[in-house]
Amino acid sequence: SQQGEEDPQALSIQEGENATMNCSYKTSINNLQWYRQNSGRGLVHLILIRSNEREKHSGRLRVTLDTSKKSSSLLITASRAADTASYFCATEGRGGNKLVFGAGTILRVKS
Amino acid sequence: DTAVSQTPKYLVTQMGNDKSIKCEQNLGHDTMYWYKQDSKKFLKIMFSYNNKELIINETVPNRFSPKSPDKAHLNLHINSLELGDSAVYFCASSQVPGGVTEAFFGQGTRLTVV
Repeated sequence: SQQGEEDPQALSIQEGENATMNCSYKTSINNLQWYRQNSGRGLVHLILIRSNEREKHSGRLRVTLDTSKKSSSLLITASRAADTASYFCATEGRGGNKLVFGAGTILRVKS
Repeated sequence: DTAVSQTPKYLVTQMGNDKSIKCEQNLGHDTMYWYKQDSKKFLKIMFSYNNKELIINETVPNRFSPKSPDKAHLNLHINSLELGDSAVYFCASSQVPGGVTEAFFGQGTRLTVV
């Protein structure tokens, strides 16, 4: 079954606003990761949070993980037009060896 | 220097043809992957190799055959192409010391079968 269902499917905000994307998954995980994909490009790793961590920061990114609810959120603060992209969460299950991706959230930041 | 490079970037071919996509990584990673991204942007793992050994094969038709001549290369050969094979194929690599760490992706190969 598919891991990493994301919500919302699409998000449109003004430059300077914060963007929050959510991810839910179904089975136990070792870690959860967030990736960005610009149009026509490959995925770029943003941040990894391990199953025993609850929150992690990297620059304007803040990720939370709630393993009891099997959910994670990605917050991008003070968004910029350059943040316009698709954002994917990916989970590594207990079995390891692969990442399973969600369907992604399309973020559009208007300048 | 490009970390994960795949060629070609675009591939247009007719149904029934056989084609290959090449992938190389210069990161020294032990594990490489092929993912397929469909028109709805959903990414699905196809294969995973660790040190040239196949470790994951996710119910992919036999027409798809990965080949890893060494741990820096993972090529994908597709026989008898079908319309439904049209998608973007991504190669990726990661270092796996007992678990997946961040994965590095190539730029993708957009395959169009006509």
